Amino acid sequence: AQKVTQAQTEISVVEKEDVTLDCVYETRDTTYYLFWYKQPPSGELVFLIRRNSFDEQNEISGRYSWNFQKSTSSFNFTITASQVVDSAVYFCALSEARGGGATNKLIFGTGTLLAVQP
Amino acid sequence: GAGVSQSPRYKVAKRGQDVALRCDPISGHVSLFWYQQALGQGPEFLTYFQNEAQLDKSGLPSDRFFAERPEGSVSTLKIQRTQQEDSAVYLCASSAGLAGGKTQYFGPGTRLLVL
Repeated sequence: AQKVTQAQTEISVVEKEDVTLDCVYETRDTTYYLFWYKQPPSGELVFLIRRNSFDEQNEISGRYSWNFQKSTSSFNFTITASQVVDSAVYFCALSEARGGGATNKLIFGTGTLLAVQP
Repeated sequence: GAGVSQSPRYKVAKRGQDVALRCDPISGHVSLFWYQQALGQGPEFLTYFQNEAQLDKSGLPSDRFFAERPEGSVSTLKIQRTQQEDSAVYLCASSAGLAGGKTQYFGPGTRLLVL
């Protein structure tokens, strides 16, 4: 069965601190995709990144970076020099990668609430 | 271009009422998903459409929940005889193509409160 665990329920940091959000996943598939979404107080889920299981290269986008390690089944997300606007709930999600009529639904973790204090 | 839109944004229903929630996906997106998000939890899958075909409804919690997408674009999630446990945010997402792992883009959700 597929499962995503985000052990950190809430994290509070002061502006300009770096923060890492942890994500551990379980799957029997050899091909799968991992995602991070941001959910600000407005409620809409905002897509941040998609990574397939064959690409373990770390990625950096501005202040955001992602560390994918298949050996530990982890896909962690780091925000460098955090800002108040980064305050939100962040979700890690896993999807199978089957074609045809397969559902390929997203399996979400329970989310991590990040509060960035000014 | 326009993203996924949902209406209404908020819905208050009395227990036992029927409700209908609308989703307008990104134009041209073949795949459409409905998720339910309880307070403090991650979204959970309800049902999946590929064009007008409902290929997976394994996540629908009871036979009071019904979804349709008759012309392969707009979708409606209907809940009959609402119960208090149906209170949640209902999220719609769409993605392009049929291949696995396509990015799903979400709408703002409909927050349903059943009194």
